[in-house]
Amino acid sequence: NAGVTQTPKFQVLKTGQSMTLQCAQDMNHEYMSWYRQDPGMGLRLIHYSVGAGITDQGEVPNGYNVSRSTTEDFPLRLLSAAPSQTSVYFCASSYSLSVGEKLFFGSGTQLSVL
Amino acid sequence: GENVEQHPSTLSVQEGDSAVIKCTYSDSASNYFPWYKQELGKRPQLIIDIRSNVGEKKDQRIAVTLNKTAKHFSLHITETQPEDSAVYFCAASIRGGGADGLTFGKGTHLIIQP
Repeated sequence: NAGVTQTPKFQVLKTGQSMTLQCAQDMNHEYMSWYRQDPGMGLRLIHYSVGAGITDQGEVPNGYNVSRSTTEDFPLRLLSAAPSQTSVYFCASSYSLSVGEKLFFGSGTQLSVL
Repeated sequence: GENVEQHPSTLSVQEGDSAVIKCTYSDSASNYFPWYKQELGKRPQLIIDIRSNVGEKKDQRIAVTLNKTAKHFSLHITETQPEDSAVYFCAASIRGGGADGLTFGKGTHLIIQP
């Protein structure tokens, strides 16, 4: 199993450009989520999904869209990138919604918006 | 929503000494409290977790304690080693599992002095 795979690892955008961060898992995990990590801020939840066709907003959803058409994939879309979206983005997944289910993180995408 | 406070932001200890990192949470409904270790440029890795029906859990040199009444939990690392140097994050989950994601503290940079 590859685990949680994120692409790209690095990306530079200009303000106003759009792009999609890809996330895929091959562990048949029910739950997937996106976090952003900023210096001194910890990780903050952007969006999450409890199954195919179901998504919900986290703590900081503005400026981001998600969809979950398959169990394996959970892409994060930036429709019009802003400098405030410069951050490291982590995708994470877990097998089920049970209490204490381990959360597996991808290796991250470092995004810079100029 | 849930709010997690973590202290200190930086902790420097001599190799072989113990380190303690403390977190408080705001929502008494939280029932799952994991701790993550993140090395520079890497993804967060789960090191230990505790559920609300347990007061203490230990795994070799790492232990976590939970005080539900006071709404705080702590990470204890004994006999610290150079490889313990990293950023540590505490987290809390309100409804349990991944159903609503994790709320993270802002992190503690642990420095092990030789």
